[in-house]
Amino acid sequence: DQQVKQNSPSLSVQEGRISILNCDYTNSMFDYFLWYKKYPAEGPTFLISISSIKDKNEDGRFTVFLNKSAKHLSLHIVPSQPGDSAVYFCAAHSGYALNFGKGTSLLVTP
Amino acid sequence: SAVISQKPSRDICQRGTSLTIQCQVDSQVTMMFWYRQQPGQSLTLIATANQGSEATYESGFVIDKFPISRPNLTFSTLTVSNLSPEDSSIYLCSVYLGTSSYEQYFGPGTRLTVT
Repeated sequence: DQQVKQNSPSLSVQEGRISILNCDYTNSMFDYFLWYKKYPAEGPTFLISISSIKDKNEDGRFTVFLNKSAKHLSLHIVPSQPGDSAVYFCAAHSGYALNFGKGTSLLVTP
Repeated sequence: SAVISQKPSRDICQRGTSLTIQCQVDSQVTMMFWYRQQPGQSLTLIATANQGSEATYESGFVIDKFPISRPNLTFSTLTVSNLSPEDSSIYLCSVYLGTSSYEQYFGPGTRLTVT
C-alpha cells in the first residue's frame, strides 16, 4: 500500500517561473518529510526536509510547505532553472525507514 | 554527507544466475540500506544491513533471494539470486549518518537487466 503519493508523473515549467511539486501521504505517524532530486544514472540526492511540527522550511530557492491536516506537502522552486530538470521524490520517515513516492519528472525549459 | 560507490554500475544477466552488488562508503557508518526501484516505481526498501547483526528484511523480501553481507562499517554486498526478468530493476544502497532529519545518502545505483 503506497503511503506516499506523488500524483503528477511530470511537470513542465519555464525558466524563471515557480515549480510546485506536490506530495500526499496517508500515515499520520510520519515525523519527517524529505525531498530528493535524481538525475539519470545517479542516485537520489537529498534536497530539503521538514519536521512534522513545522509548516515551512526554506533553503535558498527551495521551500517545502507542510499541511498536516490535509496530509499534504509541496516543494516550491523559485526561480526554476534548467539545471533543476530531474526527477523529484518525496519521502516520509517513520521508525527507521524512508517511504518514497513514485517521483515527479520536472522539465524546466529555457 | 558521505561518498558512496557501487559496483557494477550495470549488468545484464541470464535467468537463473545471480548477481552480487557491492557498496562502499568513504566513512564508517552503522546503518546501511538496500533499495530496489522497479521501472516507473518508487524506491522500495529491501533490507537494513547493520554491521555485526543479521540484515532485517522488509515484507516481501527474503534472505534466500536477497542475501546481504555487512563485514565491516564501510562495506556491504547484496546478492540477487535465481534471477528472473521481474528482478530487472535499479538497486541502490544508502547510509544514514545519524542526523535529526533522517536523511539517507545514496549510491549511484546498479541497473540490472535479466534476459
